Amino acid sequence: AQSVTQLDSHVSVSEGTPVLLRCNYSSSYSPSLFWYVQHPNKGLQLLLKYTSAATLVKGINGFEAEFKKSETSFHLTKPSAHMSDAAEYFCVVSGGSQGNLIFGKGTKLSVKP
Amino acid sequence: GAGVSQSPRYKVAKRGQDVALRCDPISGHVSLFWYQQALGQGPEFLTYFQNEAQLDKSGLPSDRFFAERPEGSVSTLKIQRTQQEDSAVYLCASSLGGTNLNYGYTFGSGTRLTVV
Repeated sequence: AQSVTQLDSHVSVSEGTPVLLRCNYSSSYSPSLFWYVQHPNKGLQLLLKYTSAATLVKGINGFEAEFKKSETSFHLTKPSAHMSDAAEYFCVVSGGSQGNLIFGKGTKLSVKP
Repeated sequence: GAGVSQSPRYKVAKRGQDVALRCDPISGHVSLFWYQQALGQGPEFLTYFQNEAQLDKSGLPSDRFFAERPEGSVSTLKIQRTQQEDSAVYLCASSLGGTNLNYGYTFGSGTRLTVV
């Protein structure tokens, strides 16, 4: 069975400092992995996806993530946080043959001025 | 349309009332998914349609939940005899390419259901 674990429920950073949101996955086969962002009262927006191509994936708004099979990790990073990055972030793994997605519990990112 | 549209945006129901939630996917999108997001949690899969066929309903929490997509476009999620534990945001997502994950998914803004 597929699952994801987001290691931090809340991360707080200062504007201009790096962001690290941690995610570990479990999958019985080579997974597809995603990061989604959810701003308050907005729909889920895809930041980036890994589908067995390059292990370092670049997404929108300066975010990137690295797929590490040996560590079963897919951590999300950004070199410099912006106030507009404050939101809930979800690590997601593909669930199976029907393409449904399995979400982690989310990490709330706060950005201090 | 340009995106996935869900209505109503908010719904308050009395316990025991039936509700119907609507999803208008992007035109031409083959796949349609429903997810339930409880407060402070990640979305959880409910059901999946490919065109008008409901191929997976394993996530529906009880037989009070029913979904349909009769013409392969608009979908309705119906909850009968609502209970307080049904309070959540119900998200709809659509995708162009069936189960091919390379096509990606577009999510709607959701319907927030509160059962009182």
